[in-house]
Amino acid sequence: QKEVEQNSGPLSVPEGAIASLNCTYSDRGSQSFFWYRQYSGKSPELIMSIYSNGDKEDGRFTAQLNKASQYVSLLIRDSQPSDSATYLCAVPKTSYDKVIFGPGTSLSVIP
Amino acid sequence: SQTIHQWPATLVQPVGSPLSLECTVEGTSNPNLYWYRQAAGRGLQLLFYSVGIGQISSEVPQNLSASRPQDRQFILSSKKLLLSDSGFYLCAWQDASPGAGEKLFFGSGTQLSVL
Repeated sequence: QKEVEQNSGPLSVPEGAIASLNCTYSDRGSQSFFWYRQYSGKSPELIMSIYSNGDKEDGRFTAQLNKASQYVSLLIRDSQPSDSATYLCAVPKTSYDKVIFGPGTSLSVIP
Repeated sequence: SQTIHQWPATLVQPVGSPLSLECTVEGTSNPNLYWYRQAAGRGLQLLFYSVGIGQISSEVPQNLSASRPQDRQFILSSKKLLLSDSGFYLCAWQDASPGAGEKLFFGSGTQLSVL
């Protein structure tokens, strides 16, 4: 089993819709979870971090964490063409241990 | 505020040539430092991880090496490049202070093409 897995893409949604991105991780000791956005040819940019079970909202983005199920998701409401990018889930193996990235999910928002 | 510098932005090298990529961080002390590689259309592969000067953890057996000669300097090297070394190389830093949240912040990356 890979350490961090994400739903395979590419994912296409119409403008204004909700995009749902999923991530599972294997190490039960992980305590921190991050979502990065990466535009083509650019470096990843942190968009959300979550540390506790439940939901965390920041503007149009909502991160959801379920440690019992080892599952973290990212919802993007009112998707815009500018949201078209690859979204990477990142998980430190344990507290302040090396950070492992999932393979990424490519999102296309169709105008 | 903290900034991370990575250079060069683009590099084209022949097979068998040496490599040196440099990354420096400003505005923080004792950061954790990372080197990742991203092949075209793929995720980030962790190459090296450092928690302090001279402390390097190698994650993937390969012909690359890393060094941390100063607290905020991280260098990726190779004596002889292979075609398979092509990719997008990313340096990242992490605030190791308790409670800082373990977030990674990336440099702008180096696109390496080995021909």
